[in-house]
Amino acid sequence: TQLLEQSPQFLSIQEGENLTVYCNSSSVFSSLQWYRQEPGEGPVLLVTVVTGGEVKKLKRLTFQFGDARKDSSLHITAAQPGDTGLYLCAGVPGNMLTFGGGTRLMVKP
Amino acid sequence: DAGVTQSPTHLIKTRGQHVTLRCSPISGHKSVSWYQQVLGQGPQFIFQYYEKEERGRGNFPDRFSARQFPNYSSELNVNALLLGDSALYLCASSFAGGDTEAFFGQGTRLTVV
Repeated sequence: TQLLEQSPQFLSIQEGENLTVYCNSSSVFSSLQWYRQEPGEGPVLLVTVVTGGEVKKLKRLTFQFGDARKDSSLHITAAQPGDTGLYLCAGVPGNMLTFGGGTRLMVKP
Repeated sequence: DAGVTQSPTHLIKTRGQHVTLRCSPISGHKSVSWYQQVLGQGPQFIFQYYEKEERGRGNFPDRFSARQFPNYSSELNVNALLLGDSALYLCASSFAGGDTEAFFGQGTRLTVV
């Protein structure tokens, strides 16, 4: 069974602060995806990283895939209240997505 | 274009009953996957269907079953409901499954009492 562990589980910060959340596994994934989920909604895909060492930027969000394709990080610069939500990483081993437990982020104004 | 639609949005059932959840994928998408998300956890994979055939099954008991219809819509059935089946059930649509991008519906919130 391929497992993804996310840390921290909960994060509460003030608007304007920077933060990094992590997604770790002992298994290699062909690609890894990051989603954001808001209450009452399904997850929405933010980014897919495919190549070991890859870095992708989406406005204030920076995603990195580990060299060995076993881990990933999401860094948010100058967090805003609109960034509040559940951040999920998901590995893509074939036919199904394997999700981590998520990091619940709250950004206070 | 309509996104992934799931029905019903909320449902309350009694232990021992069965339930049918429905999903319509994005037009042109041929793959549907089902996930269970228990409160406070990440989604867990239940089934994937592609072109009406089961392509993958997660670690769920036989009480869970699903099927995909010729129009690519899908049903998830759960028999003999347990309290622990209370969760948000998510449907994801993709063109071909596998590594292709998945789009999620809003989910069906099932409460078993």
